[in-house]
Formats: sequence, C-alpha cells, structure tokens
Amino acid sequence: NAGVTQTPKFRVLKTGQSMTLLCAQDMNHEYMYWYRQDPGMGLRLIHYSVGEGTTAKGEVPDGYNVSRLKKQNFLLGLESAAPSQTSVYFCASSRDSPSYNEQFFGPGTRLTVL
Amino acid sequence: SQELEQSPQSLIVQEGKNLTINCTSSKTLYGLYWYKQKYGEGLIFLMMLQKGGEEKSHEKITAKLDEKKQQSSLHITASQPSHAGIYLCGAGNTGNQFYFGTGTSLTVIP
Repeated sequence: NAGVTQTPKFRVLKTGQSMTLLCAQDMNHEYMYWYRQDPGMGLRLIHYSVGEGTTAKGEVPDGYNVSRLKKQNFLLGLESAAPSQTSVYFCASSRDSPSYNEQFFGPGTRLTVL
Repeated sequence: SQELEQSPQSLIVQEGKNLTINCTSSKTLYGLYWYKQKYGEGLIFLMMLQKGGEEKSHEKITAKLDEKKQQSSLHITASQPSHAGIYLCGAGNTGNQFYFGTGTSLTVIP
C-alpha cells in the first residue's frame, strides 16, 4: 500500500498562474484534508471532505478550491496564485472523524509563488 | 476555533537528557493527538489521548492528558538524535475540523 501520495513534490508558479495539487489514498478512507504549513504557524486546515462528492471549508479556505469526485482522490486548486500562497501543502486522510481517528499524511508539496 | 498553544517553540538538548513539551487548549479536548515531523517530510502519528488523566507510552516517549482535558505533555526520556524533529499536538472539534499547535522544534546534540 502506498498510503497517501501527493503530486507534484515541488512547484514554482508566477503570480496569477493556476495549478492543481493531487492527493490520492489507497486506504479506502472517508475523510480527506488539505493543510498548509508555514513557519511558526503549524499546520492550518484549508478544506476537507467527509466523503466522495462532499467538500467543506476549513480555517483558511480563501484562494483555494477543492473537489472530491472519487473517494480516493482529493484535488486542491489555486485559480490565481499569490505570493502569500507560498507554503508547504500536506494532504491527509482518516477512516472517520479526525477527533477520534488518526490521520495519515502525504509527504507534502512545496509551492513557491513568485 | 480551537487554539492550541505549544511550548517551548524550540528545544536544543544534549543526547541522553530528558525533555518535556507542553500543549495547552482554551477548550476541553475531545481527543488530543501527538505527531512528529522529520524535517522536510510528512507527519507521523505518535499517540492519541482521549480520557482525562490518560497516559500512554511508546518506547521512550510518554504522553499525558490532564484531568480537565485541556493540557497535554509529551516527555522524552534519555533523548537520542533519532528524536530530533518537529513535534505537533492536534485536536478536533465537535465538527470535523482539526487544529494543530504551532509545533516544537527539537534538536538533539550527540
């Protein structure tokens, strides 16, 4: 089992460009999450999904969109990248509610917006 | 939102020394998680505490949740270079959101 995978691992964008980050999990988990990690701020939840076809906003959703068309995939989109979106992005999944279930994390995507 | 404060922000210890990291919440915790992150990598689950007064150990790492379920500590005994990394506490809320503390960066000097 690969667990949680993320593509790409690194990306450099210019301001205003768009891109999609892909997260895939092979554990048949219902819940999936996108976080961003910035120095001194820990991880902050961007969007999450509690099942195929569902999405919900997290703590810092502005400037991002997500889709969960298939249970195993969770896509994070940036329509018009801004330098403030320079960060390391982590995807995670869990069997059920994160309050009672361990999350499994991907290796991260390092994004730089110039 | 669930605010989790971690202290200290960073820690440098000599190999073999004991250390403690604290995580404090302004609200009652439903489940408190400890994760470890090696530099440049994803997070690895360490332990989860749910009940007030609960204590769990794995190898040389012990985590405790206080009776009021608002404070947790992570204690490492006889630290080793393999313990180096960033330690994060995290907790969910009554919904499906999850919050992390700001992290504690641990350096262990051989």
